[in-house]
Amino acid sequence: DGGITQSPKYLFRKEGQNVTLSCEQNLNHDAMYWYRQDPGQGLRLIYYSQIVNDFQKGDIAEGYSVSREKKESFPLTVTSAQKNPTAFYLCASSITGDFYGYTFGSGTRLTVV
Amino acid sequence: DQQVKQNSPSLSVQEGRISILNCDYTNSMFDYFLWYKKYPAEGPTFLISISSIKDKNEDGRFTVFLNKSAKHLSLHIVPSQPGDSAVYFCAARINNAGNMLTFGGGTRLMVKP
Repeated sequence: DGGITQSPKYLFRKEGQNVTLSCEQNLNHDAMYWYRQDPGQGLRLIYYSQIVNDFQKGDIAEGYSVSREKKESFPLTVTSAQKNPTAFYLCASSITGDFYGYTFGSGTRLTVV
Repeated sequence: DQQVKQNSPSLSVQEGRISILNCDYTNSMFDYFLWYKKYPAEGPTFLISISSIKDKNEDGRFTVFLNKSAKHLSLHIVPSQPGDSAVYFCAARINNAGNMLTFGGGTRLMVKP
């Protein structure tokens, strides 16, 4: 079954630590995205990548970093510079041709303790 | 500046009745609109979409209406079922800007048995 997998589902981090969220897809999609959802709010774009070895900042990239070394993988690092990292993080992917929307992963809940 | 707005954070309807979820947008360059459904602690799943060249798209119990002059779209669910209780996001894509989606803030639908 093709899909997009995020891990872990729940993650706890101490203040001042960096943490990396995993996102893997086997849909052969070229584009991948990271969104953040805060309680009662919509989805805000952190970073996106349309092709391997290339990525662009979204609306709220400060305090985050990404890499896209493989088509299937788009890990997100939440650095200690992110002032308010506690949130629900969603990874998505899509084709870059005819568009039918995103396929989302099941999300990672990050809590800073 | 929110380009896609869902002004009702929540909506409660009785089972069997119609649910109408609304979405307004400001950018006339949006050419494709989607609705996603999201359960708690899960990723959003695609529900229905509509191109800007149409004013209606129907899929079973779900119908999306687009009023371009008013920059308004709505999702109708008839009849509503308790399993429809979720958060619904509308999203929009700008023509010729890749496949980037801008999301609204979401509306929580509660269908009462």
